[in-house]
Amino acid sequence: VMTQSPVSLPVSLGERATINCKSSQILLYSSKNKHCLAWYQQKPGQPPKLLISWASTRESGVPDRFTGSGSGTDFTLTISSLQAEDVAVYYCQQYYSTPLTFGQGTKLEIK
Amino acid sequence: QVQLQQWGAGLLKPSENLSLICGASGGSFSGYYWSWIRQSPGMGLEWIGEISHRGSTNYNPSLRSRVTISLDTSKNQFSLQLHSVTAADTAVYYCARQINYGSGYMDNWGQGTLVTVSS
Repeated sequence: VMTQSPVSLPVSLGERATINCKSSQILLYSSKNKHCLAWYQQKPGQPPKLLISWASTRESGVPDRFTGSGSGTDFTLTISSLQAEDVAVYYCQQYYSTPLTFGQGTKLEIK
Repeated sequence: QVQLQQWGAGLLKPSENLSLICGASGGSFSGYYWSWIRQSPGMGLEWIGEISHRGSTNYNPSLRSRVTISLDTSKNQFSLQLHSVTAADTAVYYCARQINYGSGYMDNWGQGTLVTVSS
């Protein structure tokens, strides 16, 4: 089970946004010494977009204001300086085991 | 960059079968897993299942008895069948390319198909 917090997050433009994701199991993939945790961004009417894999590896083209961190069962997505285009719902997903499971989402909005 | 285009019937009656197809273009079909995910207001994002480029499948236990995912490598397509749908199956259905290390994450998604089940 993946539990995200908060459910809704109002943040001022230019400020830091922090989204938390907690797994009910340790997500460490031993052979790679990395954690099986991905982050997605979803804007209205669009499919989710992969931002980060392996808990902290940013996808090509993703701005460096997006940072993934964490280990074990606790993970964080940080947006260092919120831009208007970052308004979206953010999801974490574990891929340590099947069935693959997602957090319930965090709605990021402008304060 | 692979492009995923999906299509299928968007309105079904209870007890009918859902059928969706996803075509992959602009990238290799082999070497990847291919998956279906659905999204509804009540359930959020729910992984339905995956198929490897060799045809091996893995389904979510919650849907296993009703789901079939199959592959047509000659057309670079894969498909989803969900049998005997109910209103609870109303959702936006996505196909996706899945990068697997044991299990995987989805790096490319189709545009989504809204499937509504209503009498």
